[in-house]
Amino acid sequence: QLQLQESGPGLVQPSETLSFTCNVSGDSITSGSYYWGWIRQSPGKGLEWIGSIYYSGTPYYNPSLKSRVIISVDTSKDQFSLRLTSVTVADTAVYYCARLAAAGEYAFDVWGQGTMVTVSS
Amino acid sequence: EIVMAQSPATLSVSPGESATLSCRASQSVSGNLAWYQQKPGQAPRLLIYGASTRATGIPARFSGSGSGTEFTLTISSLQSEDFAVYYCQQYNNWYPLTFGGGTKVEI
Repeated sequence: QLQLQESGPGLVQPSETLSFTCNVSGDSITSGSYYWGWIRQSPGKGLEWIGSIYYSGTPYYNPSLKSRVIISVDTSKDQFSLRLTSVTVADTAVYYCARLAAAGEYAFDVWGQGTMVTVSS
Repeated sequence: EIVMAQSPATLSVSPGESATLSCRASQSVSGNLAWYQQKPGQAPRLLIYGASTRATGIPARFSGSGSGTEFTLTISSLQSEDFAVYYCQQYNNWYPLTFGGGTKVEI
């Protein structure tokens, strides 16, 4: 059974860089035609897509965050990562990693439990 | 950006009743729409994709319909575990993928 597990810093200061890793277990990150993605949810708010990547392809980013985001894949470790630079209080959120279902039905069918990050000085 | 608008924001229902949730897209997303359920402290769970196809393991009391800009999620005979927040998401346009603001289904 596929499982995703995020790891993140918990607390960072404004202007710093956030780094997250999502570990994929139960299957290889390279198996199937899946994209892998990051979504965040600010406290009490809705869901915001950050970006997605195929294990061998170009990442896709939310235009609103594109200048500050890098998503990458490490197939040797079955991991994918998110870096978000120049963070502000507005980046405080629960960050989820998730898998996009294959074959054109790009819904997020498997999710990690989420990791909460607070941006504060 | 395709804006997804969900209504109502909150829906009060009793166990055993049916609930109808709406999702409207600012432009056509064809049938490229998903529904999720989220309970407090949990990640969202995929219920429906392709506007009407239930995801693996989702009970038949959850049904989706619609196409273009108007979509509906119907929960028939609500169970206690169905009280949650429900989100729609379009994937017709990746720039960006967008979610609705959610509908809270409460007792």
